[in-house]
Amino acid sequence: GAGVSQSPSNKVTEKGKDVELRCDPISGHTALYWYRQSLGQGLEFLIYFQGNSAPDKSGLPSDRFSAERTGGSVSTLTIQRTQQEDSAVYLCASSFGPRPEREQFFGPGTRLTVL
Amino acid sequence: EDKVVQSPLSLVVHEGDTVTLNCSYEVTNFRSLLWYKQEKKAPTFLFMLTSSGIEKKSGRLSSILDKKELFSILNITATQTGDSAIYLCAVPGANAGGTSYGKLTFGQGTILTVHP
Repeated sequence: GAGVSQSPSNKVTEKGKDVELRCDPISGHTALYWYRQSLGQGLEFLIYFQGNSAPDKSGLPSDRFSAERTGGSVSTLTIQRTQQEDSAVYLCASSFGPRPEREQFFGPGTRLTVL
Repeated sequence: EDKVVQSPLSLVVHEGDTVTLNCSYEVTNFRSLLWYKQEKKAPTFLFMLTSSGIEKKSGRLSSILDKKELFSILNITATQTGDSAIYLCAVPGANAGGTSYGKLTFGQGTILTVHP
């Protein structure tokens, strides 16, 4: 597709379950970012990939959160033993390269609800 | 740690009004400031500002940066109901070595509501 895609668009899960969120970046984009947006809040940086490596994981809130990227393309964000405070919209973005002058294109996000 | 603060947090106006949204920032190594519009889920890019005093303009929207006072404003003239959205301001980060990359620190956003 032409844009960044994410799946699922909505995910409802029970507290304690694991979830996987997927991001398909724009073809050819080497940089990929995950952000989280809680209700009424701005976007919070989680992790950044350049190719398949993650130079900056500083935004991951706990060791329950992990992410990987394979083939320099698709990325998966995994949240283990979900908690209610994990409920948020998880947004993925990609760009041609990591320089800030490179515009980031955002996906539509995954709305996660933890009951 | 980089910091971005936006004001007001929310704004309600009527069609035809002009609005000014504010963004102040504190960053270790400034490279640029970006404005995004978020209508549903995906933020869409509006402007990137790198130099003080040079206005960027797109239709009824314009933005300017003041690197001395560390702030930016986004103006929308003759507002329309379609301008209703969250407007986000962001700055790219830099690592300990001073090399900047695209990690964005966002402000809380300004929720703009335009009534007919």
